Amino acid sequence: DGGITQSPKYLFRKEGQNVTLSCEQNLNHDAMYWYRQDPGQGLRLIYYSQIVNDFQKGDIAEGYSVSREKKESFPLTVTSAQKNPTAFYLCASSSPGTGENQPQHFGDGTRLSIL
Amino acid sequence: AQKITQTQPGMFVQEKEAVTLDCTYDTSDPSYGLFWYKQPSSGEMIFLIYQGSYDQQNATEGRYSLNFQKARKSANLVISASQLGDSAMYFCAMREPNTNAGKSTFGDGTTLTVKP
Repeated sequence: DGGITQSPKYLFRKEGQNVTLSCEQNLNHDAMYWYRQDPGQGLRLIYYSQIVNDFQKGDIAEGYSVSREKKESFPLTVTSAQKNPTAFYLCASSSPGTGENQPQHFGDGTRLSIL
Repeated sequence: AQKITQTQPGMFVQEKEAVTLDCTYDTSDPSYGLFWYKQPSSGEMIFLIYQGSYDQQNATEGRYSLNFQKARKSANLVISASQLGDSAMYFCAMREPNTNAGKSTFGDGTTLTVKP
């Protein structure tokens, strides 16, 4: 079945450490997105990518970095510059060119905590 | 800039009754899409229903319907015959025109609790 796979499900970060969250999709979608969700809150856009080798900052990009070397993959690195990384991270994809009624498809998320 | 407002942090409904979750939006774009997603406690986001800005009729999907009032900029979700499995967080989202990679703006969500 087609879908989005995020790993790991849970991740712990030590002070000063960079960690990378994986996101892989087999939906053949062009666009991919990373969101941060704090407890009881909505989703805030970190980064998004419309096409391979291109990505744009979202609303809260500071302390994060991404790459898009393959259409299927859009990993997110939480750097040591992100002082409050504890949150739930969701990866999504969509195919905007196929119509405005296309929803975003989401992975199951990664819960990141500080040790 | 686009903005989504969900004014009900939490809602309760009796099983088998209907419930309306409110959503208002603000945008200067004439073309946009409105979506509702369900997020159970496990965390995944499930797409429920879509309404296009030029759609003449309100969208329906099974027990879900969307009360779209364009002049008031509201897109309320109606769940009929509530079930215990409907207990979850619900998000309203607005998608920008395709020229912006299909980016979406999400509201802060409404937590729905269905009572037996």
